[in-house]
Amino acid sequence: GDSVTQMEGPVTLSEEAFLTINCTYTATGYPSLFWYVQYPGEGLQLLLKATKADDKGSNKGFEATYRKETTSFHLEKGSVQVSDSAVYFCALWMDSSYKLIFGSGTRLLVRP
Amino acid sequence: NAGVTQTPKFQVLKTGQSMTLQCAQDMNHEYMSWYRQDPGMGLRLIHYSVGAGITDQGEVPNGYNVSRSTTEDFPLRLLSAAPSQTSVYFCASSRGLSYEQYFGPGTRLTVT
Repeated sequence: GDSVTQMEGPVTLSEEAFLTINCTYTATGYPSLFWYVQYPGEGLQLLLKATKADDKGSNKGFEATYRKETTSFHLEKGSVQVSDSAVYFCALWMDSSYKLIFGSGTRLLVRP
Repeated sequence: NAGVTQTPKFQVLKTGQSMTLQCAQDMNHEYMSWYRQDPGMGLRLIHYSVGAGITDQGEVPNGYNVSRSTTEDFPLRLLSAAPSQTSVYFCASSRGLSYEQYFGPGTRLTVT
């Protein structure tokens, strides 16, 4: 079935370091791909999305490119801040199944 | 515009008790869903609804019931709580099947 695999955390970085969080997916069709972020004690918020191959989603300095050939949607940011500390979830949506399928989440901790 | 609201924020139940988790949205969204979040497992879909009067099962529906009598409300019922239902529950809504989902702040449920 459809699934999402994320790198295990926690990921610990110093402020201004480069961030990559890996995400790969398995899907029978052509899903839309999302990154959601969850700050401590809160619900999930959409960070960025891409709906077709080679699309690049971007928001708040974060970017991810939909790579159909490698079935990946890796999240990157050039310079992280302490305020980026949160749990990041990769997810895929299949119109045929009406379901948003999440990865297990990656906790990011940014130290000053 | 309150977005997606959930009540209660915290709840402790004894095994065998029943309760209803409330979810409401004021964005006139057709699609609503319930997820549970467990450590290391991401979010898993319990039930979803594509409109008033229409509900369907997600990935982990056992032990939960839902109904959708209005566009605004989508309550989740636990008929006989079990310790395995200890989790954080999130409600989400979106204006269409492949659009951004908006999440509520969550309900932390403990079953003893």
